[in-house]
Amino acid sequence: EVQLVESGGDLVQPGGSLRLSCAASGFTFSDHYMDWVRQAPGKGLEWVGRTRNKANSYTTEYAASVKGRFTISRDDSKNSLYLQMNSLKTEDTAVYYCARVRYSGYDYRGYYYYMDVWGKGTTVTVSS
Amino acid sequence: DIQMTQSPSTLSASVGDRVTITCRASQSISSWLAWYQQKPGKAPKLLIYKASSLESGVQSRFSGSGSGTEFTLTISSLQPDDFATYYCQQYNSYSWTFGQGTKVEIK
Repeated sequence: EVQLVESGGDLVQPGGSLRLSCAASGFTFSDHYMDWVRQAPGKGLEWVGRTRNKANSYTTEYAASVKGRFTISRDDSKNSLYLQMNSLKTEDTAVYYCARVRYSGYDYRGYYYYMDVWGKGTTVTVSS
Repeated sequence: DIQMTQSPSTLSASVGDRVTITCRASQSISSWLAWYQQKPGKAPKLLIYKASSLESGVQSRFSGSGSGTEFTLTISSLQPDDFATYYCQQYNSYSWTFGQGTKVEIK
């Protein structure tokens, strides 16, 4: 069974740092791109960032709202994904989900991927 | 960024009703669109990808259609388990964006 389990959520003060983890099982983790998505209390879903696989040089992408503050990394030997969050703001308060990314198709412009399996999430609260 | 707009924001319906949710993109996204279902306190669940492809294991009463800028998610006969919030998401281009959600409530 494909499973993603996030951990590391906590209460942290504005300006602080936190590292989230996502443990993957039931699939070949190293083959897949992986995403982080968040959901503020009572709000919709916001894509946070993506890491590609080794074949694509582990390149990363970030939403403008977190670029320069958040860093995504992965350890394929441990089937684990990470989100390092620095300079946290109150507006970063959310449930953070990790999601497996699956190949959808291609056209003349490139290749396309979507999120197919999500973890249950971990809660980050940024407050003084 | 591509903006995704869903309508309606809230929908009241009865068991057995046919339900349609619309998602519009601010520019063409071809068919690179997914639909997710989310229940309170739970993770989103993939229903549809590439606008109209049904995810394995998802009930056939769910269907998706559309291309370009206008898309629909249809539930052919609403069941008690379908009361939830539904999100569309474009994966045509960075930064991947979601609609604001449509909450399907019991009438």
